[in-house]
Amino acid sequence: KQEVTQIPAALSVPEGENLVLNCSFTDSAIYNLQWFRQDPGKGLTSLLLIQSSQREQTSGRLNASLDKSSGRSTLYIAASQPGDSATYLCAVTGTSGTYKYIFGTGTRLKVLA
Amino acid sequence: DAGVTQSPTHLIKTRGQQVTLRCSPKSGHDTVSWYQQALGQGPQFIFQYYEEEERQRGNFPDRFSGHQFPNYSSELNVNALLLGDSALYLCASSPGLAGGLFYEQYFGPGTRLTVT
Repeated sequence: KQEVTQIPAALSVPEGENLVLNCSFTDSAIYNLQWFRQDPGKGLTSLLLIQSSQREQTSGRLNASLDKSSGRSTLYIAASQPGDSATYLCAVTGTSGTYKYIFGTGTRLKVLA
Repeated sequence: DAGVTQSPTHLIKTRGQQVTLRCSPKSGHDTVSWYQQALGQGPQFIFQYYEEEERQRGNFPDRFSGHQFPNYSSELNVNALLLGDSALYLCASSPGLAGGLFYEQYFGPGTRLTVT
């Protein structure tokens, strides 16, 4: 059974810091890994999607890497800003035949001005 | 192009009641999935509908049921509500599942259900 873990559960940093969020999964046979942002009480905003054949994806100040063999992904946020404060969720999808996302419990990020 | 829409935004129900949540998929999408997100947790997969049939189901009791209409919109029904059903219910849509490929799912804003 696939399980997704995110560390740390919560993180508070001063503005301007570079930071890394971690995601690990127990079954390396994934199809995709996706990072989402969620503001309090709101839906999910997709940040980056990494297909199983890829090693990383970049968008602006965000960079996500994927190491399937070790069951790990990291989300790197450069030069953090107060507007980055949110919960960050990672999710994996299985190989053909399973069409659902399996989510971690998220990392709650607070960037202090 | 409208994204995924859900209604209502919030609702409050009493234990034992029944509730219906609604979802309209993104234009061009014909597959709808439902997720339950309890406070402080990641979303949990409830079920997925494609071609008006339940294609896959997560570990949820039969009190949770759904429906997909010919226009691809979907409903989630929960009977005999429990306090533990209080959560944010998220709908996600994606293109068809032809060829067994997985397509990225796009999430709606959610419906906040409170059971008292």
